Amino acid sequence: DAKTTQPNSMESNEEEPVHLPCNHSTISGTDYIHWYRQLPSQGPEYVIHGLTSNVNNRMASLAIAEDRKSSTLILHRATLRDAAVYYCILRDGRGDAGGTSYGKLTFGQGTILTVHP
Amino acid sequence: DSGVTQTPKHLITATGQRVTLRCSPRSGDLSVYWYQQSLDQGLQFLIQYYNGEERAKGNILERFSAQQFPDLHSELNLSSLELGDSALYFCASSVAPRPPGSEQFFGPGTRLTVL
Repeated sequence: DAKTTQPNSMESNEEEPVHLPCNHSTISGTDYIHWYRQLPSQGPEYVIHGLTSNVNNRMASLAIAEDRKSSTLILHRATLRDAAVYYCILRDGRGDAGGTSYGKLTFGQGTILTVHP
Repeated sequence: DSGVTQTPKHLITATGQRVTLRCSPRSGDLSVYWYQQSLDQGLQFLIQYYNGEERAKGNILERFSAQQFPDLHSELNLSSLELGDSALYFCASSVAPRPPGSEQFFGPGTRLTVL
């Protein structure tokens, strides 16, 4: 699996934007970039994913570099509830030959986001 | 609430014992994944089932086994338990088939403590 590199931790103040970076210099053309987060004492939660173009959803935005070797998860206005571990994960879009396996998620150490009131 | 349910929430047992963890996927999801989260290893993929068949295997020990039943619920069986098996075990499900990129929905986890 292609590897991702994220800062161990980041801090933000409530109501301010947060930019969480992820480097993935060995990404292949079929790798999707996924972000999950894990709130304290909960299971991981899907945030957003993309392939080449920037993506927006109700939770966040994903900015993907033109060469796809890095990406940034953007939380537009951090809240205390956004304090979590954020994981950047590459996922091969080819799946298996039958097209029924979308593959495991390979979690790294992630970025611990602390949000200050 | 992700729609994925796991039971039990907590499990305390002794070394050498066997336990079964249960997972019910979201309605309509055919694929089930099991993950283990421990302090030293982080979140690790164990095994995936799709519509009753094993599809992918990760770092799952031989003492561990899983299955997915016709009603799509899944069970993870852990036997000859060791202290190091103490961890959080998560189940996730996803819709299949659909184009690549489908998200996985995680359950709340089962916390296993082996004494």
